[in-house]
Amino acid sequence: AQSVAQPEDQVNVAEGNPLTVKCTYSVSGNPYLFWYVQYPNRGLQFLLKYITGDNLVKGSYGFEAEFNKSQTSFHLKKPSALVSDSALYFCAVRDLGVGQNFVFGPGTRLSVLP
Amino acid sequence: DGGITQSPKYLFRKEGQNVTLSCEQNLNHDAMYWYRQDPGQGLRLIYYSQIVNDFQKGDIAEGYSVSREKKESFPLTVTSAQKNPTAFYLCASTKSRVGTDTQYFGPGTRLTVL
Repeated sequence: AQSVAQPEDQVNVAEGNPLTVKCTYSVSGNPYLFWYVQYPNRGLQFLLKYITGDNLVKGSYGFEAEFNKSQTSFHLKKPSALVSDSALYFCAVRDLGVGQNFVFGPGTRLSVLP
Repeated sequence: DGGITQSPKYLFRKEGQNVTLSCEQNLNHDAMYWYRQDPGQGLRLIYYSQIVNDFQKGDIAEGYSVSREKKESFPLTVTSAQKNPTAFYLCASTKSRVGTDTQYFGPGTRLTVL
């Protein structure tokens, strides 16, 4: 069975500092990994995904994520945080193959302090 | 929020009533999904549909029903059998059921039981 863990409920970072939002996963085969962001009372917005290839994936709004197969992790990063990055972030995994649904982590609330 | 619309944005229901949440997409996507979001629990899958006139139960289908009569439409009915329906409901779609496809979300409907 697939599962996703986001070990931190809340991450606080000062504006201009680098940020990391952690995600670990468990799948039976090769994973497809996704990051989404959600602003209050809005739907989820796609940030980036890892399918195969380069372990460092670049996405929208300056975000990037690093796939680490040995640690089964897919942490989201940004070199310099903005106050506008404050939101709820979800990691999701989809196991290899047709017919596999998305499994979402519980979410991490990021607060960027001015 | 892309090409997925959900209506209404806010919905209030009296106990014992059935209510229907609308989801429409103009992305020409084959697969559509309904999720329920509760604070601190991430997203939980209610129902999904791969093609017209076909749908499957997700993890928490009890008390909900769906239909897929048109490719672009996937309405969700919250029945009186759903014991705790107050939540944020998200509709999503993917181009196909292939594992690499990105899932896109609508803006959500917040349902409150009075």
